[in-house]
Amino acid sequence: EAAVTQSPRNKVTVTGGNVTLSCRQTNSHNYMYWYRQDTGHGLRLIHYSYGAGNLQIGDVPDGYKATRTTQEDFFLLLELASPSQTSLYFCASSHRQTSQNTLYFGAGTRLSVL
Amino acid sequence: AQSVTQPDARVTVSEGASLQLRCKYSYSGTPYLFWYVQYPRQGLQLLLKYYSGDPVVQGVNGFEAEFIKSNSSFHLRKASVHWSDSAVYFCAVTPSNYNVLYFGSGTKLTVEP
Repeated sequence: EAAVTQSPRNKVTVTGGNVTLSCRQTNSHNYMYWYRQDTGHGLRLIHYSYGAGNLQIGDVPDGYKATRTTQEDFFLLLELASPSQTSLYFCASSHRQTSQNTLYFGAGTRLSVL
Repeated sequence: AQSVTQPDARVTVSEGASLQLRCKYSYSGTPYLFWYVQYPRQGLQLLLKYYSGDPVVQGVNGFEAEFIKSNSSFHLRKASVHWSDSAVYFCAVTPSNYNVLYFGSGTKLTVEP
């Protein structure tokens, strides 16, 4: 069973704060993704990566940085958090060949920016 | 650009009734199509997927979906719902040569006893 672990599960910060969301996958997948989920919008892609050191821009990248340090680890960085970034964040992984575009999701991180 | 429309934000059905959740996509080619389910306080899980071949695909827990290319639709169906099917259902699409999924806004299903 594919495994994607996100931490923390919940995070509260203040406007202007610095936040790092972590994601680790033990699936040997090459692709990793960060999505945000908001009511009425579904899931929207922030950033993704197809390998260590690689970063691709998604559909809603403004205000977010990301870094893929290893094949297993993908981080999402909010350096100056704003209330508009209050959301539920999901990390996912996939393998182009072995999972045929099927994404495996973590349990999510709920972020509140006050 | 790809897009996915789920026109029904909320659907309520009685236990034992049949179900159809609607999904329409916008893409000029033949995409890969997915349905995911999200149970409360959990991540998304794959229900079923379509790549090619038989346009009716079977998924877990009795769910199925039919790809109708002429209508750009991929509706999800179940013959008889159970209270445990209450969840949020997402339709998603990706071009066949691409590895990013685009999701619809989701449909929250409530199954009443």
